[in-house]
Amino acid sequence: AQSVTQLGSHVSVSEGALVLLRCNYSSSVPPYLFWYVQYPNQGLQLLLKYTTGATLVKGINGFEAEFKKSETSFHLTKPSAHMSDAAEYFCAVSEGSENSGYSTLTFGKGTMLLVSP
Amino acid sequence: NAGVTQTPKFQVLKTGQSMTLQCAQDMNHEYMSWYRQDPGMGLRLIHYSVGAGITDQGEVPNGYNVSRSTTEDFPLRLLSAAPSQTSVYFCASSYTASGVNEQYFGPGTRLTVT
Repeated sequence: AQSVTQLGSHVSVSEGALVLLRCNYSSSVPPYLFWYVQYPNQGLQLLLKYTTGATLVKGINGFEAEFKKSETSFHLTKPSAHMSDAAEYFCAVSEGSENSGYSTLTFGKGTMLLVSP
Repeated sequence: NAGVTQTPKFQVLKTGQSMTLQCAQDMNHEYMSWYRQDPGMGLRLIHYSVGAGITDQGEVPNGYNVSRSTTEDFPLRLLSAAPSQTSVYFCASSYTASGVNEQYFGPGTRLTVT
């Protein structure tokens, strides 16, 4: 069974400060990992994903995340926060295998990012 | 492409009423899913489909039915609405390239059951 833990239901930063949103996962097989963003009253939009290969992945809007197998983590970072980054962020995991067919996504509970001027 | 569309955007039901939430996608995706989002709970999977005629239960299936007669449509039926089903419902579609399940989400339906 797979699971996701996001540390901190709310994170507050000042504009221009580093953004760090934490995600830890558990999976019985090598995972595929995702970060989604949800702006108010909208659906979820994919920010970035890790499947195989390079462990540092870059996404949209200047975000990136690093897969650390030894720490079972996939933390999301952005060097300099912008007011438009204020949103809720969800980490998700699915079981990774080229031959496994369909694998459901399991989501964390989300972290609300608040950005102050 | 319209992507994933959901109707209605808002709905208020009385306890015991039934209704169908509509979901359609025009990306020819094989897989479709329904989630509910509740504050502090993240997204929880209700039902999913791996192709026309094939559905399966997710984490929280009780009180909901689904069917998939076409690739494009995946309606979610509430048989007898209960206040515990007050939530925001999201439909998603996906394809798997090399096993990667990258999901595309609709805008959601906000349901209130009184």
